Amino acid sequence: GAGVSQSPRYKVAKRGQDVALRCDPISGHVSLFWYQQALGQGPEFLTYFQNEAQLDKSGLPSDRFFAERPEGSVSTLKIQRTQQEDSAVYLCASSLQDRGNSPLHFGNGTRLTVT
Amino acid sequence: QQPVQSPQAVILREGEDAVINCSSSKALYSVHWYRQKHGEAPVFLMILLKGGEQKGHEKISASFNEKKQQSSLYLTASQLSYSGTYFCGPIFLTTDSWGKLQFGAGTQVVVTP
Repeated sequence: GAGVSQSPRYKVAKRGQDVALRCDPISGHVSLFWYQQALGQGPEFLTYFQNEAQLDKSGLPSDRFFAERPEGSVSTLKIQRTQQEDSAVYLCASSLQDRGNSPLHFGNGTRLTVT
Repeated sequence: QQPVQSPQAVILREGEDAVINCSSSKALYSVHWYRQKHGEAPVFLMILLKGGEQKGHEKISASFNEKKQQSSLYLTASQLSYSGTYFCGPIFLTTDSWGKLQFGAGTQVVVTP
C-alpha cells in the first residue's frame, strides 16, 4: 500500500512569507508526528496527534508554527512569517497505534529553504 | 530528554562489526531504532520492548537494558548497505505523551569495501 506522502517535496519561501506543508499518513494510522531536521542533525520532535487531537505540541519552536489534523487523517503544518532559521527538512511520520510499541513510518519530507 | 548516542561516527570495512550505544537519563518503556540514508527518510529497524530482549533485522541486532536505561545496536559482518545514520528514540516509562519520540543526534556509519 501507499506510504506516507508529503507535499510539496521542495519549498522556497522569501523571509516573511507563510507556508503550508501537507502530510498524508498511511490510511488507518492513528498517530501522526511532525519533525524538523536540520542538516546533519537528528529529527527534532515538533508535535504529535492522536486521531484529530493534538496531544503534544511542546516541540513547536514558536507561535509562528501551527499544526492541525481536523479529520484525523491529513495534517498540515503551517509556518507564518518564515525566518531563515526555519530552513530545514520537515518530516511527517505516522504510526498504527498510539503507544510506543508501534513503528513510525516516515514520509520523504519537505525541504524548506527560506531566502 | 534527548538520548545520548555514541560513537558519533564509525568507519568500518565490509565484514567488520560495530556497536552503537544509546543512553537515557530517564526510565525507559521502549527504544526505537531507525536508519537514515543520505537524502532519504528514516527507516524503521526495530523496537525493543523488554529488558534484555534482543531483536534482529538482517544481521543487525539490538539489546535493551532497563536497569542501565540504555540500548545497544550491533552491526555484525557489516555490508555496504549498512551505511547511513542510525538514530535511537526512547519512549519513557513516565511520560505525559506516549507519542513524544525524541531522537538522539545519530551515529553516522560508513562501510567501505
